[in-house]
Amino acid sequence: GAGVSQTPSNKVTEKGKYVELRCDPISGHTALYWYRQSLGQGPEFLIYFQGTGAADDSGLPNDRFFAVRPEGSVSTLKIQRTERGDSAVYLCASSPGTSYEQYFGPGTRLTVT
Amino acid sequence: RKEVEQDPGPFNVPEGATVAFNCTYSNSASQSFFWYRQDCRKEPKLLMSVYSSGNEDGRFTAQLNRASQYISLLIRDSKLSDSATYLCVVSRMDSSYKLIFGSGTRLLVRP
Repeated sequence: GAGVSQTPSNKVTEKGKYVELRCDPISGHTALYWYRQSLGQGPEFLIYFQGTGAADDSGLPNDRFFAVRPEGSVSTLKIQRTERGDSAVYLCASSPGTSYEQYFGPGTRLTVT
Repeated sequence: RKEVEQDPGPFNVPEGATVAFNCTYSNSASQSFFWYRQDCRKEPKLLMSVYSSGNEDGRFTAQLNRASQYISLLIRDSKLSDSATYLCVVSRMDSSYKLIFGSGTRLLVRP
């Protein structure tokens, strides 16, 4: 079946601009996670949704970052006033529930110039 | 100090070699342990879970020492296709089960 999909695969934006990154989880998966991976590092947790609600947003670095999942399926990660330090690969993962394996999407490579 | 520490490598080994990776974690509340594999410019994929009793999957053996907060991965009879970055991952059984990754150990298997 279809895996986790993320769009766009690559995004180049100028410093100060607003960006939206989209994640389509595996159908029926209630848990959705966003992670961020900088070059040479492992992924770092950003936010977790169970259904429509953000149950844990402790990994969001500051208030420029926000994520939504209005219908409990697709999620959008929104970054305001982008900075060069936001450049990274943003990974989305979904799972049938919290204690199950997380399946990762291919990521969105964000470059802020 | 990072919560999950790994030697970044790279480990450069010939085909057929046995190679071992180690990882330490600092939070004793960690409850679940994994090794993920990540190919260049690809997403991480679960290689295997790690249990206290140790577990084996073909050429791969994983061990967990809770007292020392230490996790290992042994790869026997290395193949060229094993070349990748191996990520040590822990999770706490809190509300989110978020994954906490090490920085990864890079393995290069040469002919």
